[in-house]
Amino acid sequence: SQQGEEDPQALSIQEGENATMNCSYKTSINNLQWYRQNSGRGLVHLILIRSNEREKHSGRLRVTLDTSKKSSSLLITASRAADTASYFCATAPIQGAQKLVFGQGTRLTINP
Amino acid sequence: EPEVTQTPSHQVTQMGQEVILRCVPISNHLYFYWYRQILGQKVEFLVSFYNNEISEKSEIFDDQFSVERPDGSNFTLKIRSTKLEDSAMYFCASSVRGGQTDTQYFGPGTRLTVL
Repeated sequence: SQQGEEDPQALSIQEGENATMNCSYKTSINNLQWYRQNSGRGLVHLILIRSNEREKHSGRLRVTLDTSKKSSSLLITASRAADTASYFCATAPIQGAQKLVFGQGTRLTINP
Repeated sequence: EPEVTQTPSHQVTQMGQEVILRCVPISNHLYFYWYRQILGQKVEFLVSFYNNEISEKSEIFDDQFSVERPDGSNFTLKIRSTKLEDSAMYFCASSVRGGQTDTQYFGPGTRLTVL
């Protein structure tokens, strides 16, 4: 079993539309973080949501967390071409406190 | 805004050679990490480091790997005898506190190519 599985694996939408990406995980967590990676580049931290939080906003980003379903979603509103990237969720398991466990990622393409 | 920096951006080496990847974490951070990402695969945790010692490591981090904080600013990953399968992007990260509660900030990565 794998921690942090995102779906869809790829998403292509028109500029201005909203993009929703989902993440599921298997073990209990302390927090869940979302990162963006432009092709071949580094990981940019977007948002952290703690296990006792249900929803968090940052600019055009909205993250939800449902610990009963072990799932999270990332919503990007009013998408822009610059949002084209891969998006990863990463969980901080309660056991194994130091590491982040990443999912496979969702490749988001915003068409102008 | 402070950033994690990594050098070199790209390293090409022959199989069996030793490589050292360098990172400068954010200055007030206390926890340091190395991750790797093989092309097309997910980012994988290698090791975490706190208070001048390894606090956690993965199965990937075998005897061929070592980490060091040689001075107050650098954090290095050494691969003693590189293998073809070590070819990957290596990311350094740092956080103020441990990963349980805190954001990990990643550097731009070093792309290691083993020939």
